[in-house]
Amino acid sequence: DVKVTQSSRYLVKRTGEKVFLECVQDMDHENMFWYRQDPGLGLRLIYFSYDVKMKEKGDIPEGYSVSREKKERFSLILESASTNQTSMYLCASSAPAEPQHFGDGTRLSIL
Amino acid sequence: GDSVTQMEGPVTLSEEAFLTINCTYTATGYPSLFWYVQYPGEGLQLLLKATKADDKGSNKGFEATYRKETTSFHLEKGSVQVSDSAVYFCAPDHTGGFKTIFGAGTRLFVKA
Repeated sequence: DVKVTQSSRYLVKRTGEKVFLECVQDMDHENMFWYRQDPGLGLRLIYFSYDVKMKEKGDIPEGYSVSREKKERFSLILESASTNQTSMYLCASSAPAEPQHFGDGTRLSIL
Repeated sequence: GDSVTQMEGPVTLSEEAFLTINCTYTATGYPSLFWYVQYPGEGLQLLLKATKADDKGSNKGFEATYRKETTSFHLEKGSVQVSDSAVYFCAPDHTGGFKTIFGAGTRLFVKA
């Protein structure tokens, strides 16, 4: 079974801090994704990666960056956290043209 | 651009009731269509999929048929259980998995 592991279930940070969210998958998937989930808005794609060191902007990349130095790990970085980045963050991975497998999410609060 | 519309929730049903969650989409060409489910405190997981017109996806008693003529992919279950309480997401994808479009989600509550 595919396992996508997000490093924290809950995280509380302060405005202006640099925040790292980590995601690891164990199925050698090429594709990895970061989404944020907000009530009434569904999932919105922040960034995705289709290979090591490759990244593409999603629909809402502003205020975020990503890093993929190893195939199994995809990190989301909030350069200077702001209160409007309080949200649920979901990581996912997939093989090409296959459905995505999701982690359990990180609920991030920015105070 | 591509988009998906699914019925607003929450939907509240009694156990053993019939469930329909409507989903319509606009997309380039003929996308693959997915339903994902999110149980409380968890991430999304694939429930079922269909990859071409008239295909029927099914899993755990849920079904959905790819209707090209109406661009719809409605989710149905004949007899819901309390354990089906979750949020359901309709998701078309014509990009080979790079940019799946997720609907806003429909929350289902099933009462015993």
